[in-house]
Amino acid sequence: KAGVTQTPRYLIKTRGQQVTLSCSPISGHRSVSWYQQTPGQGLQFLFEYFSETQRNKGNFPGRFSGRQFSNSRSEMNVSTLELGDSALYLCASSLDGDLEAFFGQGTRLTVV
Amino acid sequence: AQSVTQLGSHVSVSEGALVLLRCNYSSSVPPYLFWYVQYPNQGLQLLLKYTSAATLVKGINGFEAEFKKSETSFHLTKPSAHMSDAAEYFCAVSVYSGNTPLVFGKGTRLSVIA
Repeated sequence: KAGVTQTPRYLIKTRGQQVTLSCSPISGHRSVSWYQQTPGQGLQFLFEYFSETQRNKGNFPGRFSGRQFSNSRSEMNVSTLELGDSALYLCASSLDGDLEAFFGQGTRLTVV
Repeated sequence: AQSVTQLGSHVSVSEGALVLLRCNYSSSVPPYLFWYVQYPNQGLQLLLKYTSAATLVKGINGFEAEFKKSETSFHLTKPSAHMSDAAEYFCAVSVYSGNTPLVFGKGTRLSVIA
């Protein structure tokens, strides 16, 4: 079966712009989580969605937001981009926030 | 709150040598523990997981890890390193509540020397 698909793979944006990243989970998975990966901070949890509801949220500013659609696909949005937002953004899906999360290949965001 | 400490940001081994990547965790409740591997420009792939069954857990690609409660450790081992094992390895902890995120260590980059 198809894995977790994240689009786009690479993105270059200018400071102050906004960006939307997309994640399509494995078919049948209802939980989608987002993580930010940077060399300095490592992997940090952004938020988790289950059945279109945000179930958990990490310690990130309100510029970071997300949503989930009825088909479980999820998007995350970052507004007013800062240089420090440059990172690999990873999406993970699971059946129900269970113990096996499957990760996508990530979206590499570069803010210039 | 849970946390994970991976000892050594970079480990280098010779091909055919033992691989040992160290992970210590902190958790106020029984934890669930994971090892993930990440190849360059890729996402994370689950190597193995501990979910309170057998303390010795076997994973993919010949890796295994042993849960030691007394030492709060979950070290990853492989008897014989292969060049293809060169990657970044992450230890992670969670507590099962249906909506608890993974907490990751900082990662250990494994280099394999021919």
